[in-house]
Amino acid sequence: SQTIHQWPATLVQPVGSPLSLECTVEGTSNPNLYWYRQAAGRGLQLLFYSVGIGQISSEVPQNLSASRPQDRQFILSSKKLLLSDSGFYLCAWSRDNVLFFGSGTQLSVL
Amino acid sequence: RKEVEQDPGPFNVPEGATVAFNCTYSNSASQSFFWYRQDCRKEPKLLMSVYSSGNEDGRFTAQLNRASQYISLLIRDSKLSDSATYLCVVYSSASKIIFGSGTRLSIRP
Repeated sequence: SQTIHQWPATLVQPVGSPLSLECTVEGTSNPNLYWYRQAAGRGLQLLFYSVGIGQISSEVPQNLSASRPQDRQFILSSKKLLLSDSGFYLCAWSRDNVLFFGSGTQLSVL
Repeated sequence: RKEVEQDPGPFNVPEGATVAFNCTYSNSASQSFFWYRQDCRKEPKLLMSVYSSGNEDGRFTAQLNRASQYISLLIRDSKLSDSATYLCVVYSSASKIIFGSGTRLSIRP
Protein backbone atom coordinates (compact mmCIF):
# COMPACT_ATOMS: atom_id res chain seq x y z
CA SER A 1 0.00 0.00 0.00
CA GLN A 2 1.04 3.59 -0.49
CA THR A 3 2.26 5.75 2.36
CA ILE A 4 3.48 9.30 2.57
CA HIS A 5 5.99 10.55 5.13
CA GLN A 6 6.52 14.16 6.04
CA TRP A 7 8.85 15.64 8.60
CA PRO A 8 9.37 17.34 10.94
CA ALA A 9 5.98 17.52 12.64
CA THR A 10 6.67 20.88 14.25
CA LEU A 11 9.28 23.52 13.63
CA VAL A 12 10.06 26.87 15.22
CA GLN A 13 12.39 29.06 13.20
CA PRO A 14 13.58 32.67 13.53
CA VAL A 15 12.85 35.20 10.81
CA GLY A 16 15.54 35.14 8.15
CA SER A 17 16.57 31.55 8.75
CA PRO A 18 16.48 28.87 6.02
CA LEU A 19 13.87 26.13 5.73
CA SER A 20 13.85 22.61 4.41
CA LEU A 21 10.82 20.32 4.66
CA GLU A 22 10.96 16.87 3.20
CA CYS A 23 8.30 14.51 1.95
CA THR A 24 8.64 10.98 0.60
CA VAL A 25 6.09 8.61 -0.87
CA GLU A 26 6.29 4.82 -0.78
CA GLY A 27 4.45 2.16 -2.73
CA THR A 28 3.87 4.03 -5.96
CA SER A 29 5.90 5.34 -8.87
CA ASN A 30 5.77 8.67 -10.69
CA PRO A 31 3.12 10.20 -8.44
CA ASN A 32 1.89 13.77 -8.77
CA LEU A 33 3.18 15.54 -5.68
CA TYR A 34 1.92 18.70 -4.00
CA TRP A 35 2.83 21.20 -1.30
CA TYR A 36 -0.05 23.04 0.37
CA ARG A 37 -0.08 25.62 3.13
CA GLN A 38 -2.91 26.25 5.57
CA ALA A 39 -2.88 29.44 7.60
CA ALA A 40 -4.64 29.36 10.96
CA GLY A 41 -8.41 29.08 10.44
CA ARG A 42 -8.06 29.23 6.69
CA GLY A 43 -8.37 26.92 3.69
CA LEU A 44 -5.58 25.10 1.91
CA GLN A 45 -3.49 27.06 -0.56
CA LEU A 46 -1.60 25.19 -3.27
CA LEU A 47 2.05 26.23 -3.31
CA PHE A 48 3.73 23.81 -5.73
CA TYR A 49 2.96 20.70 -7.66
CA SER A 50 5.12 18.29 -9.60
CA VAL A 51 4.30 15.70 -12.25
CA GLY A 52 7.81 14.24 -12.42
CA ILE A 53 11.47 14.52 -11.42
CA GLY A 54 12.73 18.06 -11.85
CA GLN A 55 9.28 19.30 -12.96
CA ILE A 56 7.95 21.93 -10.57
CA SER A 57 5.08 24.34 -11.07
CA SER A 58 4.49 27.24 -8.72
CA GLU A 59 1.02 28.51 -8.06
CA VAL A 60 1.79 31.65 -6.06
CA PRO A 61 4.74 34.04 -5.98
CA GLN A 62 6.59 33.79 -2.69
CA ASN A 63 9.99 33.28 -1.15
CA LEU A 64 9.55 29.52 -1.10
CA SER A 65 10.87 27.02 -3.63
CA ALA A 66 10.40 23.32 -4.24
CA SER A 67 12.52 20.58 -5.71
CA ARG A 68 11.99 16.97 -6.72
CA PRO A 69 15.40 15.32 -6.85
CA GLN A 70 13.98 11.79 -6.91
CA ASP A 71 10.74 10.28 -8.15
CA ARG A 72 9.20 9.95 -4.69
CA GLN A 73 10.88 12.84 -2.88
CA PHE A 74 9.56 16.38 -2.71
CA ILE A 75 11.33 19.16 -0.81
CA LEU A 76 10.08 22.59 0.19
CA SER A 77 12.73 25.21 0.89
CA SER A 78 13.32 28.81 1.72
CA LYS A 79 16.55 30.79 1.97
CA LYS A 80 15.09 33.36 4.38
CA LEU A 81 11.84 32.84 6.24
CA LEU A 82 9.32 35.62 6.77
CA LEU A 83 6.80 35.93 9.59
CA SER A 84 4.06 35.38 7.02
CA ASP A 85 5.49 31.93 6.21
CA SER A 86 4.04 30.57 9.46
CA GLY A 87 1.41 27.93 8.89
CA PHE A 88 0.59 24.28 8.52
CA TYR A 89 2.44 22.77 5.55
CA LEU A 90 1.07 19.67 3.94
CA CYS A 91 2.61 17.39 1.35
CA ALA A 92 0.28 15.26 -0.74
CA TRP A 93 0.23 12.79 -3.62
CA SER A 94 -2.67 12.00 -5.88
CA ARG A 95 -4.28 8.92 -7.40
CA ASP A 96 -7.46 8.94 -9.48
CA ASN A 97 -7.91 12.67 -8.80
CA VAL A 98 -7.86 12.06 -5.04
CA LEU A 99 -5.28 13.69 -2.78
CA PHE A 100 -3.65 11.82 0.10
CA PHE A 101 -1.86 13.96 2.64
CA GLY A 102 1.13 13.57 4.87
CA SER A 103 0.73 14.37 8.54
CA GLY A 104 1.86 17.96 8.07
CA THR A 105 4.45 20.32 9.53
CA GLN A 106 3.38 23.12 11.85
CA LEU A 107 5.84 25.93 11.16
CA SER A 108 6.10 28.92 13.47
CA VAL A 109 8.33 31.76 12.35
CA LEU A 110 9.25 34.08 15.22
CA ARG B 1 -16.14 35.28 -6.27
CA LYS B 2 -14.19 32.40 -4.76
CA GLU B 3 -13.85 29.29 -6.89
CA VAL B 4 -15.18 27.10 -4.09
CA GLU B 5 -17.35 28.52 -1.32
CA GLN B 6 -18.55 26.95 1.89
CA ASP B 7 -20.47 28.24 4.88
CA PRO B 8 -17.75 28.42 7.55
CA GLY B 9 -20.16 27.66 10.38
CA PRO B 10 -19.72 26.76 13.10
CA PHE B 11 -22.63 24.39 13.15
CA ASN B 12 -23.41 23.36 16.71
CA VAL B 13 -25.94 20.51 16.85
CA PRO B 14 -27.00 17.94 19.44
CA GLU B 15 -25.96 14.33 19.20
CA GLY B 16 -28.36 12.38 17.03
CA ALA B 17 -29.32 15.35 14.88
CA THR B 18 -29.14 15.50 11.10
CA VAL B 19 -26.95 18.21 9.63
CA ALA B 20 -26.29 19.26 6.05
CA PHE B 21 -23.57 21.34 4.43
CA ASN B 22 -23.48 22.87 0.99
CA CYS B 23 -20.60 23.92 -1.18
CA THR B 24 -20.77 25.91 -4.41
CA TYR B 25 -18.18 25.98 -7.18
CA SER B 26 -17.67 28.37 -10.08
CA ASN B 27 -15.89 26.28 -12.73
CA SER B 28 -18.47 24.41 -14.75
CA ALA B 29 -15.69 22.27 -16.28
CA SER B 30 -14.80 20.76 -12.91
CA GLN B 31 -14.52 17.00 -13.12
CA SER B 32 -14.45 15.45 -9.68
CA PHE B 33 -15.76 16.37 -6.28
CA PHE B 34 -14.90 15.24 -2.79
CA TRP B 35 -15.57 15.80 0.87
CA TYR B 36 -12.64 15.69 3.27
CA ARG B 37 -12.66 15.73 7.04
CA GLN B 38 -10.00 17.59 9.00
CA ASP B 39 -9.50 17.32 12.74
CA CYS B 40 -7.75 20.09 14.63
CA ARG B 41 -4.03 20.29 13.79
CA LYS B 42 -4.26 17.18 11.62
CA GLU B 43 -4.09 16.53 7.90
CA PRO B 44 -7.31 16.40 5.83
CA LYS B 45 -8.55 12.88 5.16
CA LEU B 46 -10.85 11.76 2.38
CA LEU B 47 -14.38 11.24 3.65
CA MET B 48 -16.06 10.41 0.37
CA SER B 49 -16.17 11.13 -3.32
CA VAL B 50 -19.28 12.77 -4.73
CA TYR B 51 -21.04 11.35 -7.77
CA SER B 52 -23.77 12.82 -9.93
CA SER B 53 -26.12 10.03 -8.96
CA GLY B 54 -25.53 10.70 -5.27
CA ASN B 55 -23.79 8.27 -2.98
CA GLU B 56 -24.12 7.06 0.55
CA ASP B 57 -21.64 5.69 3.05
CA GLY B 58 -23.32 4.69 6.28
CA ARG B 59 -24.66 7.84 7.92
CA PHE B 60 -23.14 10.09 5.26
CA THR B 61 -24.80 11.05 1.97
CA ALA B 62 -23.20 13.19 -0.72
CA GLN B 63 -24.96 14.80 -3.65
CA LEU B 64 -23.80 16.69 -6.72
CA ASN B 65 -25.92 19.15 -8.66
CA ARG B 66 -24.03 20.09 -11.81
CA ALA B 67 -26.76 22.38 -13.13
CA SER B 68 -26.64 24.56 -10.01
CA GLN B 69 -22.94 23.87 -9.38
CA TYR B 70 -23.11 22.75 -5.81
CA ILE B 71 -22.36 19.68 -3.76
CA SER B 72 -23.81 18.71 -0.44
CA LEU B 73 -23.04 16.48 2.51
CA LEU B 74 -25.71 15.12 4.83
CA ILE B 75 -24.83 13.52 8.15
CA ARG B 76 -27.57 11.55 9.89
CA ASP B 77 -27.68 10.48 13.53
CA SER B 78 -24.62 12.62 14.29
CA LYS B 79 -22.06 11.35 16.79
CA LEU B 80 -19.72 13.25 19.06
CA SER B 81 -16.88 11.88 16.93
CA ASP B 82 -18.27 13.70 13.87
CA SER B 83 -17.02 16.99 15.33
CA ALA B 84 -14.46 18.27 12.82
CA THR B 85 -14.04 20.64 9.91
CA TYR B 86 -15.46 19.41 6.61
CA LEU B 87 -13.72 20.52 3.45
CA CYS B 88 -15.28 20.58 0.02
CA VAL B 89 -12.80 19.81 -2.78
CA VAL B 90 -13.22 20.40 -6.50
CA TYR B 91 -10.86 18.82 -9.03
CA SER B 92 -10.52 20.41 -12.47
CA SER B 93 -7.04 19.17 -13.40
CA ALA B 94 -3.87 17.87 -11.74
CA SER B 95 -2.81 21.47 -11.19
CA LYS B 96 -6.22 22.74 -10.18
CA ILE B 97 -7.51 21.05 -7.07
CA ILE B 98 -9.37 23.68 -5.10
CA PHE B 99 -10.31 23.38 -1.44
CA GLY B 100 -13.11 25.23 0.23
CA SER B 101 -12.22 26.98 3.46
CA GLY B 102 -14.16 24.40 5.44
CA THR B 103 -17.26 24.14 7.58
CA ARG B 104 -16.78 23.60 11.30
CA LEU B 105 -19.13 21.12 12.93
CA SER B 106 -19.45 20.68 16.67
CA ILE B 107 -21.68 17.94 18.09
CA ARG B 108 -22.81 18.47 21.69
CA PRO B 109 -23.90 15.68 24.06
